[in-house]
Amino acid sequence: KNQVEQSPQSLIILEGKNCTLQCNYTVSPFSNLRWYKQDTGRGPVSLTIMTFSENTKSNGRYTATLDADTKQSSLHITASQLSDSASYICVVIHTGTASKLTFGTGTRLQVTL
Amino acid sequence: EAQVTQNPRYLITVTGKKLTVTCSQNMNHEYMSWYRQDPGLGLRQIYYSMNVEVTDKGDVPEGYKVSRKEKRNFPLILESPSPNQTSLYFCASSLASGSWETQYFGPGTRLLVL
Repeated sequence: KNQVEQSPQSLIILEGKNCTLQCNYTVSPFSNLRWYKQDTGRGPVSLTIMTFSENTKSNGRYTATLDADTKQSSLHITASQLSDSASYICVVIHTGTASKLTFGTGTRLQVTL
Repeated sequence: EAQVTQNPRYLITVTGKKLTVTCSQNMNHEYMSWYRQDPGLGLRQIYYSMNVEVTDKGDVPEGYKVSRKEKRNFPLILESPSPNQTSLYFCASSLASGSWETQYFGPGTRLLVL
């Protein structure tokens, strides 16, 4: 069964601190891996996208890494801001089957003063 | 503004009373999809549509129907809602159905079936 597991389930950090969210997946083969940000009461918004051959991809203060050998990805947030408070979802897009996505359950991040 | 809209945003209904959740996109996207999001579970795909008059089942299609008569609209129909369909529903669209296409999500519809 294809699965995407994320950790931690939730995380509280102080504003200005860095944090790293983890994603382990068993989907294989896959086309690309994305990280989405979901604000409370809103739909998910794509942050980064990586193919299996890419190791890292940045989007401002967000940096995603991918290790296709260990089937792990991480999302690193630098100098966190209050607006980073949201759920972060790891999504693996399958190869060959158009638009078949497997979503992780997300990490809920709260940034506090 | 390019967007995916859903209506209603919140809905409380009773078991067995047919309902429709509308989804519309103004980006001329070919691909549209419906997901449900439940606590402790990732988003799961209900139905998707690659183009007008082309729809197919996702991972959890039971109890749902869809139609795609126009490119911009993709309504989700619950003919006889049951309490286990209480959930947060998202409509999404992308330019095409390829795996590289970014899906744009609507704001969600929170449904409670009593």
